[in-house]
Amino acid sequence: AQSVTQPDIHITVSEGASLELRCNYSYGATPYLFWYVQSPGQGLQLLLKYFSGDTLVQGIKGFEAEFKRSQSSFNLRKPSVHWSDAAEYFCAVGAWGGGNKLTFGTGTQLKVEL
Amino acid sequence: EAGVTQFPSHSVIEKGQTVTLRCDPISGHDNLYWYRRVMGKEIKFLLHFVKESKQDESGMPNNRFLAERTGGTYSTLKVQPAELEDSGVYFCASSQDQTTVATNEKLFFGSGTQLSVL
Repeated sequence: AQSVTQPDIHITVSEGASLELRCNYSYGATPYLFWYVQSPGQGLQLLLKYFSGDTLVQGIKGFEAEFKRSQSSFNLRKPSVHWSDAAEYFCAVGAWGGGNKLTFGTGTQLKVEL
Repeated sequence: EAGVTQFPSHSVIEKGQTVTLRCDPISGHDNLYWYRRVMGKEIKFLLHFVKESKQDESGMPNNRFLAERTGGTYSTLKVQPAELEDSGVYFCASSQDQTTVATNEKLFFGSGTQLSVL
């Protein structure tokens, strides 16, 4: 069975600082990996996804993530955080043929200090 | 275009009571999903409708949960009787196609219903 681990429950960064949110997955085949963000009162929004090809993927809002098969990781990064990035971030993995049945991590709550 | 709508946004009930959550998917979306997040834990898949049919209900925790999608439009998720461990956020999502995960970008989530069972 597939699983996702987000080891950081809470992270606080200063506005303008760089950000890295960690995600490790467990899956027997090539994973399909996603990062979602949930802002207060909003639904989950897809930031970026990895299916194949270039292991560095670009997403919306200036986010990027790098797939590292050897480390079973898919960490999310942003070079300069904005106060509006404060939200909860979820990493998820999907399986080929599994439709939209995703396995999510427990989420990382990001706080941005001004 | 209206997004996925869920209501109520919050519900507080006592143990043993019944609660019904509703999800209105994006118009024309045949696929509708329910997910749940228990506090502090991961978001977990509950079930998947294709139109009015249950495609996959492997994530439904027990028979106190009943999901319906009459007419293939909106869906309801009833919990009867509610237990303390049912507290959490219930998310609904919809997509247009019978997609594989490779087209997951077409999956749209609602803002969730926060259910508190006291």
